[in-house]
Amino acid sequence: EVQLVQSGAEVKKPGESLKISCKGSGYSFTSYWIGWVRQMPGKGLEWMGIIYPGDSDTRYSPSFQGQVTISADKSISTAYLQWSSLKASDTAMYYCARRGGYCTNGVCSVYFDYWGQGTLVTVSS
Amino acid sequence: DIQMTQSPSSLSASVGDRVTITCQASQDISNYLNWYQQKPGKAPKLLIYDASNLETGVPSRFSGSGSGTDFTFTISSLQPEDIATYYCQQYDNLALTFGGGTKVEIK
Repeated sequence: EVQLVQSGAEVKKPGESLKISCKGSGYSFTSYWIGWVRQMPGKGLEWMGIIYPGDSDTRYSPSFQGQVTISADKSISTAYLQWSSLKASDTAMYYCARRGGYCTNGVCSVYFDYWGQGTLVTVSS
Repeated sequence: DIQMTQSPSSLSASVGDRVTITCQASQDISNYLNWYQQKPGKAPKLLIYDASNLETGVPSRFSGSGSGTDFTFTISSLQPEDIATYYCQQYDNLALTFGGGTKVEIK
């Protein structure tokens, strides 16, 4: 069974650093991209970026480039999202998701097929 | 970046009603469009991929159509368990950006 299990809720102060995790199991972790999605309180879903754990190729949404760092440790099937200096506006639920899909005759279907349970990050002084 | 405009942002309908949500892309995305359902306090769930393909296990009352820039998501007969927020999502190379969401409530 494919599972993505995220680390627990965090309460931090502005200026602090943070690294949250997403551990994959039940599939070949190095063969699928893992994406991160932000959901601010009462708001919609925002795609932050994506990483290929096989070679750590990483792409960021322009909105999040330079604001966060996405990484992965394939030896323990875990992807990470980290901040070096949190702001109150980083308060949100963060989801990781596996980018699934398939290709036929060079045309590929792409979607997030499995999701983590979410990690709530609260930044408050 | 490709922008996705979803409408309406919310709607209220009766059980059994036909519900339609639209999503418009800022440029041609062929059929690279997915639909997700998010219930309160839960992670999103894939319902439709490639604009019109129903994900395995998803009830047939859900459907999607469209290509290019204009897409439609339909619930043919709204059920109480369909109360959720629905999001479209396009994929362009490695970016998977979402529409703003449509909150569906029971009247």
